[in-house]
Amino acid sequence: QQPVQSPQAVILREGEDAVINCSSSKALYSVHWYRQKHGEAPVFLMILLKGGEQKGHDKISASFNEKKQQSSLDLTASQLSYSGTYFCGTEGPLTGANNLFFGTGTRLTVIP
Amino acid sequence: DTAVSQTPKYLVTQMGNDKSIKCEQNLGHDTMYWYKQDSKKFLKIMFSYNNKELIINETVPNRFSPKSPDKAHLNLHINSLELGDSAVYFCASSQGRRGGYTFGSGTRLTVV
Repeated sequence: QQPVQSPQAVILREGEDAVINCSSSKALYSVHWYRQKHGEAPVFLMILLKGGEQKGHDKISASFNEKKQQSSLDLTASQLSYSGTYFCGTEGPLTGANNLFFGTGTRLTVIP
Repeated sequence: DTAVSQTPKYLVTQMGNDKSIKCEQNLGHDTMYWYKQDSKKFLKIMFSYNNKELIINETVPNRFSPKSPDKAHLNLHINSLELGDSAVYFCASSQGRRGGYTFGSGTRLTVV
């Protein structure tokens, strides 16, 4: 049930853009995105619910294609503070306690 | 005020011992979780629990048991610790299926 993320790692210069992809083989109810800095806990960025919505916060936005069971996270004009490992978490459509299954992560490094 | 707090932050113990990790959340969330993050940074769901049901990931050994004295606490007890149990354990909480997860700061468990 683990989603697949790509790329595994990416290095950007400040101001450059990046896209991180998340794909599941199963039907999804929601997709979450988190960022984890070294030695810290994952921090929630946003949640996208089925219905094909898009969300954005500052220069980070995400989309969810329910039919393709895919989501992408777009980072625009990257800043040094964007560095970290990004995880998508997916939840299936069954009701009950929502269990997120996390992808293997994408390590993003922003350099000056 | 810490939203999700875990204790201890570090735990070093010998093989075969029994240990517990405590978790408390003051967010009023209805669901709590335990995740294991291994050396490759893979975040794996272990348990989720709300006041109605406990969901156990089938791959978790029965040496691991969650204990919830009330809605705000979900402790993790581990029996007969093994070397492979060494990892960072994160507690998290969320509200319903539309809320993001708030993670605790993690407990780094080292079994020697």
